[in-house]
Amino acid sequence: NAGVTQTPKFQVLKTGQSMTLQCAQDMNHNSMYWYRQDPGMGLRLIYYSASEGTTDKGEVPNGYNVSRLNKREFSLRLESAAPSQTSVYFCASSLRLAGDAYEQYFGPGTRLTVT
Amino acid sequence: DAKTTQPPSMDCAEGRAANLPCNHSTISGNEYVYWYRQIHSQGPQYIIHGLKNNETNEMASLIITEDRKSSTLILPHATLRDTAVYYCIVGVSNQFYFGTGTSLTVIP
Repeated sequence: NAGVTQTPKFQVLKTGQSMTLQCAQDMNHNSMYWYRQDPGMGLRLIYYSASEGTTDKGEVPNGYNVSRLNKREFSLRLESAAPSQTSVYFCASSLRLAGDAYEQYFGPGTRLTVT
Repeated sequence: DAKTTQPPSMDCAEGRAANLPCNHSTISGNEYVYWYRQIHSQGPQYIIHGLKNNETNEMASLIITEDRKSSTLILPHATLRDTAVYYCIVGVSNQFYFGTGTSLTVIP
């Protein structure tokens, strides 16, 4: 199992450019997530998808769009990048445990710089 | 919004137990307490979770107070590889809100 994979690992964009961050998981998990982590901060939820065909906003969705392409893949798009979106982006998927508990599995992250 | 309060940093001697506290005074009855850690710049890694009872697994123990307003993560024999940022998260269903965590440094 590769777990959660993300591409690219690094990216530099100029203000106003667009790009799509790709995420895939091979664990047959229903739920997938996108987070961002700014320097010295914890992770903040951008969007999540509880199941194939559904997406919902998280804590900081402005400036982003997502697509749950199928059960495996969940992409994050920046339509017009801004310097404030310079961050490390983590994708995750989750396994439901006993009760209503979940364990999240994270990818290695994409380090994005917007100049 | 982050619903937990953790000390920003702690040190622990190698081989000793590391006890990481977390306050979650506004926790709801159906919310779980989760602990994750993030080593350097990697993606966070699940450690343990609990609802009401104390829990133990191969990595750590979780002690939750009877009123559920605080908890302690215990790493029984800390090693240098346990140096990381530890996040205490309170949540229900599959939405997590991370705070800024505790940066644990294990000292040789």
